[in-house]
Amino acid sequence: DQQVKQNSPSLSVQEGRISILNCDYTNSMFDYFLWYKKYPAEGPTFLISISSIKDKNEDGRFTVFLNKSAKHLSLHIVPSQPGDSAVYFCAARSGGATNKLIFGTGTLLAVQP
Amino acid sequence: DTGVSQNPRHKITKRGQNVTFRCDPISEHNRLYWYRQTLGQGPEFLTYFQNEAQLEKSRLLSDRFSAERPKGSFSTLEIQRTEQGDSAMYLCASSLTAGNKEQYFGPGTRLTVT
Repeated sequence: DQQVKQNSPSLSVQEGRISILNCDYTNSMFDYFLWYKKYPAEGPTFLISISSIKDKNEDGRFTVFLNKSAKHLSLHIVPSQPGDSAVYFCAARSGGATNKLIFGTGTLLAVQP
Repeated sequence: DTGVSQNPRHKITKRGQNVTFRCDPISEHNRLYWYRQTLGQGPEFLTYFQNEAQLEKSRLLSDRFSAERPKGSFSTLEIQRTEQGDSAMYLCASSLTAGNKEQYFGPGTRLTVT
């Protein structure tokens, strides 16, 4: 079963506009959520994270929002830049001693100049 | 550069052969993780080490797979009698313990089994 879901395989936005990437999860025991960015032929790069006790975390152009009641989080990028074009993965920490991450299937963001 | 490194970056092998991949984590990181990523999917957890101890293995890790981290530094992942279904990107990540939630990934090893 897919515990972390990214229902939009792709998203296209104009440079300078806002990009909103969405993620849904099913397990209420997840205690930490992360976003990774991945370019072709490279490993995922950590972008931003949020604890389950928070509802917002901001870092420069990137903001992550968490709605625990809806089991939904989103990543906002504003303003979007062509260099942001990549696959974005949402991940959730499973809790316990492992710290293993459970990933969604990714959203391909294309920022058009 | 002090990031996570993986070797080789690409490996092509014939079905039935054995392959071994190496991961060098960020030097002060105690935890090391292996993930596998197939086309159109996100990375899937395989196993993790706390120092030299392998503390969890996914059911995805069949008995043809073995991982080691003999001195708590670099790790190796071996696949015996490779099958075409083993073709994937194998990713290594490392992190500090406890309070640090972020895992830092290497560039991956792309395995193609023909």
